[in-house]
Amino acid sequence: AQRVTQPEKLLSVFKGAPVELKCNYSYSGSPELFWYVQYSRQRLQLLLRHISRESIKGFTADLNKGETSFHLKKPFAQEEDSAMYYCARRNQGAQKLVFGQGTRLTINP
Amino acid sequence: DSGVTQTPKHLITATGQRVTLRCSPRSGDLSVYWYQQSLDQGLQFLIQYYNGEERAKGNILERFSAQQFPDLHSELNLSSLELGDSALYFCASSVGTLGTGELFFGEGSRLTVL
Repeated sequence: AQRVTQPEKLLSVFKGAPVELKCNYSYSGSPELFWYVQYSRQRLQLLLRHISRESIKGFTADLNKGETSFHLKKPFAQEEDSAMYYCARRNQGAQKLVFGQGTRLTINP
Repeated sequence: DSGVTQTPKHLITATGQRVTLRCSPRSGDLSVYWYQQSLDQGLQFLIQYYNGEERAKGNILERFSAQQFPDLHSELNLSSLELGDSALYFCASSVGTLGTGELFFGEGSRLTVL
């Protein structure tokens, strides 16, 4: 079964500190991994996808197939990064996106 | 606003009742997805429609059903409601069949079953 695990429900860091939100996935097929974000009073939206290998708002995420992980990182957290973050996966060719339970990130001033 | 719209935003009803949640996808999007978010669980995939046809099914209860109409809006019907059905129900849409993995979400419909 496809599974996505985000071990931390809550994560709190100070502004300027590095941030790492953990995501592990079950090994099944050739997954594509994504990070979605929901800021306060906004809709859930795509942040980045592993295929693009992009940096969005200073965030990056590397797919580690050996550890089946797709952790989201940012070297210097900003207050506007406070949000709910969801890791998601789908198998190639599959229709559904499977989400983790989410991590609420709070950046303290 | 040409984004995904969901109605109603809030709904309170009693056990045993039936409700219908409605979703209008973004203009031009052919796929609609329904997700359920309960207190202790993340986003649980329920069902996907593409251009009127069911394309993928998740952990959707038999008491729940959905359809997508010719104008591409979708409805999620929840019947014989139980307390445990209280949740936030999200609709999302995409242009095709999840080609890029990007879903566009609505604001959700919060259902409370008393």
